[in-house]
Amino acid sequence: DAKTTQPNSMESNEEEPVHLPCNHSTISGTDYIHWYRQLPSQGPEYVIHGLTSNVNNRMASLAIAEDRKSSTLILHRATLRDAAVYYCILRDGGNRDDKIIFGKGTRLHILP
Amino acid sequence: EAQVTQNPRYLITVTGKKLTVTCSQNMNHEYMSWYRQDPGLGLRQIYYSMNVEVTDKGDVPEGYKVSRKEKRNFPLILESPSPNQTSLYFCASSLSTGFAYEQYFGPGTRLTVT
Repeated sequence: DAKTTQPNSMESNEEEPVHLPCNHSTISGTDYIHWYRQLPSQGPEYVIHGLTSNVNNRMASLAIAEDRKSSTLILHRATLRDAAVYYCILRDGGNRDDKIIFGKGTRLHILP
Repeated sequence: EAQVTQNPRYLITVTGKKLTVTCSQNMNHEYMSWYRQDPGLGLRQIYYSMNVEVTDKGDVPEGYKVSRKEKRNFPLILESPSPNQTSLYFCASSLSTGFAYEQYFGPGTRLTVT
């Protein structure tokens, strides 16, 4: 079973910010939160990751709750090219057994 | 260019005919992994490898084999394919195991077993 829970789908208007939530209530102290996205007809691509502090990169920002049981991927100004399935996963930094469970992700629709 | 390549990209085969899907990366990555993607089920990990000669089962390993004889290659073997293995397959690699390393995915192989 996936260790994370995400809404099946979300909609947003073009050029507006998008907040994609992820719940990971059973997260352990050594789990890192990773986000990937999959554009139509492509393989998944890395977006961002973090442990405790909020993180920013050129693609997005990651806001992590203080108790780490949830996180939010923020796309600051959505474009039509951001329409994709977004996956939130946990990767265990303390365990050498690195099985990865993706889950079904959130399908993001961008309205022009 | 840093990349993960998969071959073939498309394959139609018949039940029981052994096949191999190749995966190669040119980034000297230690960690490699195979996933299958089916409608409504998302991405599921089949097998992964933390380094040469080290492989382990993911969530859905039944009916698949892998080997990791060289660091750059991680072939997926279907000894006796069945129709329920019709799927979209992705290979991925990352620098090492764990937390801080992003995975790079290949373009996918669409397999149809009739």
